[in-house]
Amino acid sequence: DGGITQSPKYLFRKEGQNVTLSCEQNLNHDAMYWYRQDPGQGLRLIYYSQIVNDFQKGDIAEGYSVSREKKESFPLTVTSAQKNPTAFYLCASSSLMGQGDQPQHFGDGTRLSIL
Amino acid sequence: AQSVTQLGSHVSVSEGALVLLRCNYSSSVPPYLFWYVQYPNQGLQLLLKYTTGATLVKGINGFEAEFKKSETSFHLTKPSAHMSDAAEYFCAVSGHTGRRALTFGSGTRLQVQP
Repeated sequence: DGGITQSPKYLFRKEGQNVTLSCEQNLNHDAMYWYRQDPGQGLRLIYYSQIVNDFQKGDIAEGYSVSREKKESFPLTVTSAQKNPTAFYLCASSSLMGQGDQPQHFGDGTRLSIL
Repeated sequence: AQSVTQLGSHVSVSEGALVLLRCNYSSSVPPYLFWYVQYPNQGLQLLLKYTTGATLVKGINGFEAEFKKSETSFHLTKPSAHMSDAAEYFCAVSGHTGRRALTFGSGTRLQVQP
């Protein structure tokens, strides 16, 4: 079955450490997204990519970095510059057909906590 | 710029009662609107979407939503709540060009009492 796989499900970070969250999709979608979810704040966009080797900052990109070397993969690195990284991170993908009416498909998320 | 407002961060209903979750949007162009459901520690699952055409949209699990342009609303309803409907629900709006990422409301947690 096609879908989005995020790993790991739970991740712990020490102070000053960079960590990378994995996101892989086999839906053949061109666009991929990273969102951060905090209680009571909905989902906020960190980065998105609509084509391989290109990506754009979202609303809260500071302290994060991404790469898009393959269509299927869009890893997110939480750097030590992100001072409040504890959150639930969701990866999504979508087709770019049409004019924005294509729904996004989500992975099951990675919960990041600070040790 | 687009935005979504969900009125009520928590809604509690009795099993068998009507479910009404409110969503109002702001968009400079005709919007594409979505409702998603999230169960604990899981990703989001699409319930339904409005693009163009019929303003009453039916989704999965017996949910439906009505697009009202004059009220800039897209409220989610279900005639009879089940215990399994307890979850968090998100309304979202999509852009037409350029950035296609969704803009989400802050979510409404639905509790269903036996």
